[in-house]
Amino acid sequence: SQQGEEDPQALSIQEGENATMNCSYKTSINNLQWYRQNSGRGLVHLILIRSNEREKHSGRLRVTLDTSKKSSSLLITASRAADTASYFCATDAWGSGTYKYIFGTGTRLKVLA
Amino acid sequence: DADVTQTPRNRITKTGKRIMLECSQTKGHDRMYWYRQDPGLGLRLIYYSFDVKDINKGEISDGYSVSRQAQAKFSLSLESAIPNQTALYFCATSQRGEQYFGPGTRLTVT
Repeated sequence: SQQGEEDPQALSIQEGENATMNCSYKTSINNLQWYRQNSGRGLVHLILIRSNEREKHSGRLRVTLDTSKKSSSLLITASRAADTASYFCATDAWGSGTYKYIFGTGTRLKVLA
Repeated sequence: DADVTQTPRNRITKTGKRIMLECSQTKGHDRMYWYRQDPGLGLRLIYYSFDVKDINKGEISDGYSVSRQAQAKFSLSLESAIPNQTALYFCATSQRGEQYFGPGTRLTVT
């Protein structure tokens, strides 16, 4: 079953506004990553946050991680029409001797010009 | 040139046919992965390989097999394709942590 669940499933905002997406997961992780996917294309890595980190920034992106709540959020500030895409979280963990790299179901972001 | 390439990019095949999807990478990474993506389900891990002699099943390996021919090449086979294997397939590589994805193969099984 999918470990990552994302909220909201879809988000529509005006250019210049901030967009926040949330991800929840079920088990202990080594790290959590966020990816972006333009329609039908491959995923592009945005940012990685390790399990011992609480917040990380990269340009207009801010990611937080709360391991006690097993959740993460991705904030995109001052959004642009070019940010329109689907955003996925992914968790990286070992469990029962098996490696698990599990993606969430994604948030579809639409930024209106 | 792209770091991770996949061939073919699009394929339509009939039920029962054997099909192979190929992935090559120039990043020099040891780890390679195959995923499928279905609408509303995100990406699901089919198989992964941490080096040439290491092959592991992922979340949804039934109906699929893989071959790691070299560090740079990782192939996914559908021995007898069925319609519910219609999906977008992605190959990815990593050294550790972040993964780098190919452009995807859109497979339709009729």
